[in-house]
Amino acid sequence: GAVVSQHPSWVICKSGTSVKIECRSLDFQATTMFWYRQFPKQSLMLMATSNEGSKATYEQGVEKDKFLINHASLTLSTLTVTSAHPEDSSFYICSARDSGTYEQYFGPGTRLTVT
Amino acid sequence: QKEVEQNSGPLSVPEGAIASLNCTYSDRGSQSFFWYRQYSGKSPELIMFIYSNGDKEDGRFTAQLNKASQYVSLLIRDSQPSDSATYLCAVKGGQAGTALIFGKGTTLSVSS
Repeated sequence: GAVVSQHPSWVICKSGTSVKIECRSLDFQATTMFWYRQFPKQSLMLMATSNEGSKATYEQGVEKDKFLINHASLTLSTLTVTSAHPEDSSFYICSARDSGTYEQYFGPGTRLTVT
Repeated sequence: QKEVEQNSGPLSVPEGAIASLNCTYSDRGSQSFFWYRQYSGKSPELIMFIYSNGDKEDGRFTAQLNKASQYVSLLIRDSQPSDSATYLCAVKGGQAGTALIFGKGTTLSVSS
């Protein structure tokens, strides 16, 4: 079955530092990947759509200079949270869309805690 | 911006009963609808999707779509304690139109 991995699975960082989260499709190519954020007891909120080789499309209210997305290959997208603050602490989940079948598969998520 | 509305619950049903989860959506042009299950601390798992009006059955799960009423539901027959989770309704949307836009989810609790 299609597998999407995320690394790291959890990370603790200090306020003001930057954190990079990787999302990989392990056994399929993904031209498009999506980044979501989920706060406790809330639903998944779409942050951006990541397209291989081009700029990401950010949702309204998401700061593109704070949440940097790079989709440099057909199997890897990265989300960098720059100058992290405690309010950025959240569960970050990516999903990848299979370029052949268009089905979407979710990664296991990355829990970010900013102290 | 497409919106998806769900009753947050919790919805409590006894083991063996039918659980009925409901969802409404704002964009009449939406074409595809998805139900996901999410356990605490985990990422969502796809249960099923539906594109056409009417019912779609998969094992103990039945999705029902009524486009005229902009309403999607999920029925879980013979509910089990392991079905206790948050159920998320989703439609395609976002700025690029290809992402899944989720409702807030309904928490289901199945008691044994």
